Amino acid sequence: QKEVEQNSGPLSVPEGAIASLNCTYSDRGSQSFFWYRQYSGKSPELIMFIYSNGDKEDGRFTAQLNKASQYVSLLIRDSQPSDSATYLCAVRGTNAGKSTFGDGTTLTVKP
Amino acid sequence: GAVVSQHPSWVICKSGTSVKIECRSLDFQATTMFWYRQFPKQSLMLMATSNEGSKATYEQGVEKDKFLINHASLTLSTLTVTSAHPEDSSFYICSARANDRAGQPQHFGDGTRLSIL
Repeated sequence: QKEVEQNSGPLSVPEGAIASLNCTYSDRGSQSFFWYRQYSGKSPELIMFIYSNGDKEDGRFTAQLNKASQYVSLLIRDSQPSDSATYLCAVRGTNAGKSTFGDGTTLTVKP
Repeated sequence: GAVVSQHPSWVICKSGTSVKIECRSLDFQATTMFWYRQFPKQSLMLMATSNEGSKATYEQGVEKDKFLINHASLTLSTLTVTSAHPEDSSFYICSARANDRAGQPQHFGDGTRLSIL
């Protein structure tokens, strides 16, 4: 079992719809959770992070964390074609060093 | 804020050459820097983690003598690919983190595309 698991996709949604991206993790002691977006050929860029149970909203993006169920999700409202990218979930556990990245979910938003 | 600058963006060189890549945190001090490699359409692969003033911690399977990492200051880390060969051609990406507090994110540089002929 991978430490951080994401559906590889591709996930396809129509423009204007809500895209839902999910991530599960195995380390129950994990404390910090991050979502990154990576366009093809580019490096990852931080979208948002969350470390408390519940929801965190930033514009069209909402991160949801459920530590009991060990999953974190990212909702993108009013999806735009420019949101088409690979979304990486990263989890930082009890180890103070590195974060573990999932393999990413590829999202395609169709006009 | 939280800008990480990586240079060069592209490198094309002959087999056997050593290549140095720089990673700088421009507007914050980075306690920890990370080096990743990514092959086309594949996942990010962590190569090593470095803390300022100490030796880098390499991931299993990464040759420390081939990939030399120096983190001499809180704003600069370098990766040197020694005696590069075509199989080292890849996209190398650094990232930096300000501190170890919970919730502190990593910020990525733009990456360096390395092509060894």
